[in-house]
Amino acid sequence: TQLLEQSPQFLSIQEGENLTVYCNSSSVFSSLQWYRQEPGEGPVLLVTVVTGGEVKKLKRLTFQFGDARKDSSLHITAAQPGDTGLYLCAGASTGFQKLVFGTGTRLLVSP
Amino acid sequence: GAVVSQHPSRVICKSGTSVKIECRSLDFQATTMFWYRQFPKQSLMLMATSNEGSKATYEQGVEKDKFLINHASLTLSTLTVTSAHPEDSSFYICSANDRGRGHIGRSLETQYFGPGTRLLVL
Repeated sequence: TQLLEQSPQFLSIQEGENLTVYCNSSSVFSSLQWYRQEPGEGPVLLVTVVTGGEVKKLKRLTFQFGDARKDSSLHITAAQPGDTGLYLCAGASTGFQKLVFGTGTRLLVSP
Repeated sequence: GAVVSQHPSRVICKSGTSVKIECRSLDFQATTMFWYRQFPKQSLMLMATSNEGSKATYEQGVEKDKFLINHASLTLSTLTVTSAHPEDSSFYICSANDRGRGHIGRSLETQYFGPGTRLLVL
């Protein structure tokens, strides 16, 4: 069974701080996606990484896919209250349509 | 592009009744749709994979007779919760794979999610 563990589970920080969320697995994935979900809504895709070692930037968010394609990280610079939400990583394996979702990281950014 | 809708957004029903939730891909064709369940403050749990024109594939532990899935067209999948009980109360989310039929820049493995349906069984 493929599992994706995210850490930390919950993070409460002040506006302006930096943070990193980790997504780890013992399995290799062909691609990995990061989503943000707000209460009462569906997840919204932030980024897809497909190449080992790949780094993608989306404004203040930096995503990295591990060299072995087993792990990923999300770094947020100068967090803002609008970044508050549930962050989910999800891995896909070649030949399989299903996504394996991580355990989730709940972020709260206070003004 | 890549919009997925769900209807209804929230529903309250009495115990023992059945509830149907619709999932539509609005601007693309989805040969595969997925149904997830999410409990408060938890991650998404895949319930089943729905393929157009064929039977759904259910994850281990999900009762296929209780959660009926129909994927009759390339843009519509439905989930019917039969004989609902209070423990079925949850947030149900669908997603659809855009198989990239002529669309540039869309990954085969990208899933686009609906806004979810909140089910409360009294």
